[in-house]
Amino acid sequence: SAVISQKPSRDICQRGTSLTIQCQVDSQVTMMFWYRQQPGQSLTLIATANQGSEATYESGFVIDKFPISRPNLTFSTLTVSNMSPEDSSIYLCSVGTGTFEAFFGQGTRLTVV
Amino acid sequence: QKEVEQNSGPLSVPEGAIASLNCTYSDRGSQSFFWYRQYSGKSPELIMSIYSNGDKEDGRFTAQLNKASQYVSLLIRDSQPSDSATYLCALISSGSARQLTFGSGTQLTVLP
Repeated sequence: SAVISQKPSRDICQRGTSLTIQCQVDSQVTMMFWYRQQPGQSLTLIATANQGSEATYESGFVIDKFPISRPNLTFSTLTVSNMSPEDSSIYLCSVGTGTFEAFFGQGTRLTVV
Repeated sequence: QKEVEQNSGPLSVPEGAIASLNCTYSDRGSQSFFWYRQYSGKSPELIMSIYSNGDKEDGRFTAQLNKASQYVSLLIRDSQPSDSATYLCALISSGSARQLTFGSGTQLTVLP
């Protein structure tokens, strides 16, 4: 499986500010995804990060709030913009493999105050 | 109807017992199914994948898939306290670009 490095691991941010989360993979991968896990909840897909084109967002998530970059096949960023306390969650980067299995980074625990 | 349904638990079993975790899904066209284990404060860890009807065994874990009945289960034999975690059922829906859809998870506690 790929080694996925995600940072920061946690942060406490002021409302109204933005945070950019980075995801670095040790090998080239086609599929990269960003998930959110709110406290006590399961994982919800935010978007698919597409290399060389705009990300594909799921219902309820928009580019202005969660801009995503994917400059190459090993790296992606997710920005949480204009944060409010409702954005307090764990944000997870995931990569897909040729066998359809998916692996996760360590996650970013975000607290908005 | 949720796409992936799991009993939220919590499920408690004594050490050494068999833990049985169940998951049903609504999309009959789903082809790929996964079980993830998530310890508190950690990210999900893939423990089993299954793509065909029947059983798949890996050590103390057995995944079972029945596409006709649209359920997938995970059996943990000889349960250990270290198995205490939340277990997430996930699948790739038909027509998706390989994104995972997750169930709500079942919290398992193995009592020493």
